[in-house]
This record gives sequence, structure tokens and C-alpha cells, in this order.
Amino acid sequence: AAGVIQSPRHLIKEKRETATLKCYPIPRHDTVYWYQQGPGQDPQFLISFYEKMQSDKGSIPDRFSAQQFSDYHSELNMSSLELGDSALYFCASSLESSGGDVEETQYFGPGTRLLVL
Amino acid sequence: GDSVTQMEGPVTLSEEAFLTINCTYTATGYPSLFWYVQYPGEGLQLLLKATKADDKGSNKGFEATYRKETTSFHLEKGSVQVSDSAVYFCALRYGGSQGNLIFGKGTKLSVKP
Repeated sequence: AAGVIQSPRHLIKEKRETATLKCYPIPRHDTVYWYQQGPGQDPQFLISFYEKMQSDKGSIPDRFSAQQFSDYHSELNMSSLELGDSALYFCASSLESSGGDVEETQYFGPGTRLLVL
Repeated sequence: GDSVTQMEGPVTLSEEAFLTINCTYTATGYPSLFWYVQYPGEGLQLLLKATKADDKGSNKGFEATYRKETTSFHLEKGSVQVSDSAVYFCALRYGGSQGNLIFGKGTKLSVKP
């Protein structure tokens, strides 16, 4: 079965640079979530999109922005990178529109490991 | 606000030992509860879930029961294997497009042969 795809898998940037992370959800899934996991930490919710519209916002810095495109893939744009942005960034997708609990499960991609030097 | 509390790790067990990882939650409503597992260097994988009180989730020998009266969702396995070594996260979420996951801090399990 198709899974969530994230690219790149690894990314190294300098302070103050920008980065763009991409997420391709499972086909037919209508909701995308972004999470940030610092070293040894639990994942923290950043932002989510439902049917290409932002649906909820968590602890996402103002330096970050995200969007979901017409083909349902999503991009997380990170500017003015700081050392503290070094983390594993996960994308997850789910199918919310059916209303059934089976479809509400979030499936995670392998993550993008960002290192800011 | 809503939150999840897990027992602190690391937990070290011998192969074939019994595993319990405690998880309790605080919620204003009636969330679904999940256990995710993260193997070294990998992403999060759904292990099991329960969507309402008294539901039991199970997968790969792991089980957890949604206890509303004790607000708990403890993970158990009768006989662990070395391959179960990973970090386990308990999480809750509500349904709908605003239902982001709220995770516990994670519990690292190491199983020795």
C-alpha cells in the first residue's frame, strides 16, 4: 500500500537560510498534518490542512509557513533558520471526510531530518 | 488543556518478559487513543488504537484497553522480543479535520536477549 512520502529525507542548512520540506499524502487522503520532533522529544503539532485549507495551527513559529496544493501535496517553508530548528519533521495524512473512525487514523511519513549549522 | 502522561523510561527487559507501559490522559471530551512506535532512525508507525471507552486495541501481540474510569490506556505485551526495542508513544486525538495528535513524552524500551 502507498504510504506518505516526504522529501528530502535529510537536509543540512546554515543559520538564516531557508528550507522547503515536501509531503505527499496517501492517495485519497484529504488532511495533512505537520509535526516537529526535537532530539529525544515527543512530536509537537505545527499545522494542518483539510481540503487545501488550513484547518488548525499549533506551535508553528511565524518564520514558518505551509500550504497544501491542488494535488494535495503540502510544503512546509522555513525561513531565517535557527539552530533550534534542528529536528525531525513529520508529515502525516488522514481521510477525514468519511466520518468513520477507521479513516481518521493518521499515517506518518518517514520524516525529514533537518540539521541547522 | 488535553494531555498525555507516560511512564518514564528507559525500560529494560529480558526477552520473553511481560511488558507494561503506563499511559494516562487528561481530556475535556471523548478522544480516540493511540499507541505509536518509533524504531531507531525511523518514523512513527501506528501500533494500535481504541476509539471509545472499553474498546481494546491489539496488534502484533500488544494490547491496550481504553479505560474511561481511570483515564488510562496502558500498553501490554505478554512476551517481548528483541525486535520490540523502540520508543513507544501514547497519544490522543479528537475526530475531524482539527484533530491533531497530542503525544506523551515517549517510553524507550530495550529488550535484551
